Amino acid sequence: DVKVTQSSRYLVKRTGEKVFLECVQDMDHENMFWYRQDPGLGLRLIYFSYDVKMKEKGDIPEGYSVSREKKERFSLILESASTNQTSMYLCASSRGQGPSSYEQYFGPGTRLTVT
Amino acid sequence: AQSVAQPEDQVNVAEGNPLTVKCTYSVSGNPYLFWYVQYPNRGLQFLLKYITGDNLVKGSYGFEAEFNKSQTSFHLKKPSALVSDSALYFCAVSEPAGNQFYFGTGTSLTVIP
Repeated sequence: DVKVTQSSRYLVKRTGEKVFLECVQDMDHENMFWYRQDPGLGLRLIYFSYDVKMKEKGDIPEGYSVSREKKERFSLILESASTNQTSMYLCASSRGQGPSSYEQYFGPGTRLTVT
Repeated sequence: AQSVAQPEDQVNVAEGNPLTVKCTYSVSGNPYLFWYVQYPNRGLQFLLKYITGDNLVKGSYGFEAEFNKSQTSFHLKKPSALVSDSALYFCAVSEPAGNQFYFGTGTSLTVIP
């Protein structure tokens, strides 16, 4: 079974802090994704990566950056956390490079609260 | 422009009745279409997908979905709903032409015993 793990289930940070969310997948998938999930807004794509050191902006990249130094690891960085970044963050991975016919596998999510 | 639309935030159905969760899309080319489910306090799980071929695709837990190109729809269906089907359902599209992935806003399904 594919396993996607996220570094924390719950995280509380203060406004202005730098926040790192880590995601690791163990199935050698090329694609990795970061989403945020908010009630009424569904899942919104922040960034995705289809290869090591490659990244593409999604719908809402502002205020976020990403890093993919190794194939299995995809990090989401909030340079200066703000209260409007309080949300559930979901990481996912899939086979293929870029939009493909392969389904995504999701991690359990990190609920981030910025106070 | 909204690329994937789930017009119903909430769907209620009695146990044993057929259920339908609606999804329409508006992307170019030949997109790939997916349904995912999120049970309470759990991560998203893949249910089924349409890539090409037969318009009716079958997936996990007895769910199926029908691809209708002329109506640009991909509705999720199940002949007989179970209380355990109560969850949040997301439609998604993978658009190779535009190099994008999109998810719908989700539909909360409640199956009433």
